[in-house]
Amino acid sequence: EAGVAQSPRYKIIEKRQSVAFWCNPISGHATLYWYQQILGQGPKLLIQFQNNGVVDDSQLPKDRFSAERLKGVDSTLKIQPAKLEDSAVYLCASGVLGGSPEAFFGQGTRLTVV
Amino acid sequence: QQQVKQSPQSLIVQKGGIPIINCAYENTAFDYFPWYQQFPGKGPALLIAIRPDVSEKKEGRFTISFNKSAKQFSLHIMDSQPGDSATYFCAASTLSGTYKYIFGTGTRLKVLA
Repeated sequence: EAGVAQSPRYKIIEKRQSVAFWCNPISGHATLYWYQQILGQGPKLLIQFQNNGVVDDSQLPKDRFSAERLKGVDSTLKIQPAKLEDSAVYLCASGVLGGSPEAFFGQGTRLTVV
Repeated sequence: QQQVKQSPQSLIVQKGGIPIINCAYENTAFDYFPWYQQFPGKGPALLIAIRPDVSEKKEGRFTISFNKSAKQFSLHIMDSQPGDSATYFCAASTLSGTYKYIFGTGTRLKVLA
């Protein structure tokens, strides 16, 4: 079974530029999460989708961050404009709806804002 | 109330030692407590999880101890090996509705050969 795929693995941008990350969850997983992991901290939930609907985006900085999961499969997270404090690893995870509570994580995208 | 507090921040043990990592939570609605293991450059992976109806769960060399009244749980790694060197995160979630994980701040474990 293929795992959660994320791209790119690394990205370096200047502040005020925009950036997008892509995630393809495990096939059949209805729930998709985007987490932000700042160096030395635990993952923090940014947004949670169930199929193509948003379940929780309470911690998403909506003035600069946006995410979509148009067909209920893959998802894109965008930052525009980026700030220095956005430097982090962005992790995508997926899970089965109503089944095992396990969340399966991708390898993440390491973003550096300079 | 949504926080999960984790300690220590880092831990160094000799091979064969038993590192213990502790977590505490406030929200009594949490009813699922997983531990995730993360190696450098990789995403977190589920190691072991417990629900509050039991006080202990063992899987191989990994044991979770759970104290519902104290709202605390801990991870014990028996006969630790250098390959166990990683960052460990505790987390908490509710099992009702959609699963939403609150993670601890992580413990960086180093097992010396």
